Amino acid sequence: EAQVTQNPRYLITVTGKKLTVTCSQNMNHEYMSWYRQDPGLGLRQIYYSMNVEVTDKGDVPEGYKVSRKEKRNFPLILESPSPNQTSLYFCASSSRGGQVNSPLHFGNGTRLTVT
Amino acid sequence: AQSVTQLGSHVSVSEGALVLLRCNYSSSVPPYLFWYVQYPNQGLQLLLKYTTGATLVKGINGFEAEFKKSETSFHLTKPSAHMSDAAEYFCAVSFQTGANNLFFGTGTRLTVIP
Repeated sequence: EAQVTQNPRYLITVTGKKLTVTCSQNMNHEYMSWYRQDPGLGLRQIYYSMNVEVTDKGDVPEGYKVSRKEKRNFPLILESPSPNQTSLYFCASSSRGGQVNSPLHFGNGTRLTVT
Repeated sequence: AQSVTQLGSHVSVSEGALVLLRCNYSSSVPPYLFWYVQYPNQGLQLLLKYTTGATLVKGINGFEAEFKKSETSFHLTKPSAHMSDAAEYFCAVSFQTGANNLFFGTGTRLTVIP
């Protein structure tokens, strides 16, 4: 089954403790992206990657890191989490060609709470 | 500036009633427009999209949307609401053919009253 898999689904941590949220897709997609979803703000893009070893900042990259060493994986790293990073995070992927030709496929989300 | 605005963060309709979710965009270039739906505890999934051609676009689950350039709108409609339509709906826009990035609206939560 074609899917985007995020882990964990729920995560509670404390301020300053490094964490990684994993994302993996099995559709051989070139493009991958991370979004955060907050009430009243919709989805905002954190980072995206057009292909292996190519990553770029989205609208809200501060406090986050990503890497794209393999095509299928795109982990999101919070080196020193803070309470304002409490949010619902989504990973998404699509094939080359842009949204006109290829819709985004989303994972089921990771709900992060930083105390 | 290019953006997308959803009017109404919450919409309630009775089962069987018309569903109308509003979306307006601002763009200096022809937009590509999308509606995504998010069911509870799930990720977003594509409902329908407008790229070029026919301005009335039909999607899954009986939803449709009409691109109206003169009104810069892409409102989502369904003639008769079903309980299973309760979800959050996001309008999104892309401005380049080859772009993967989407700009999302703030979302509208649809409640269906039995």
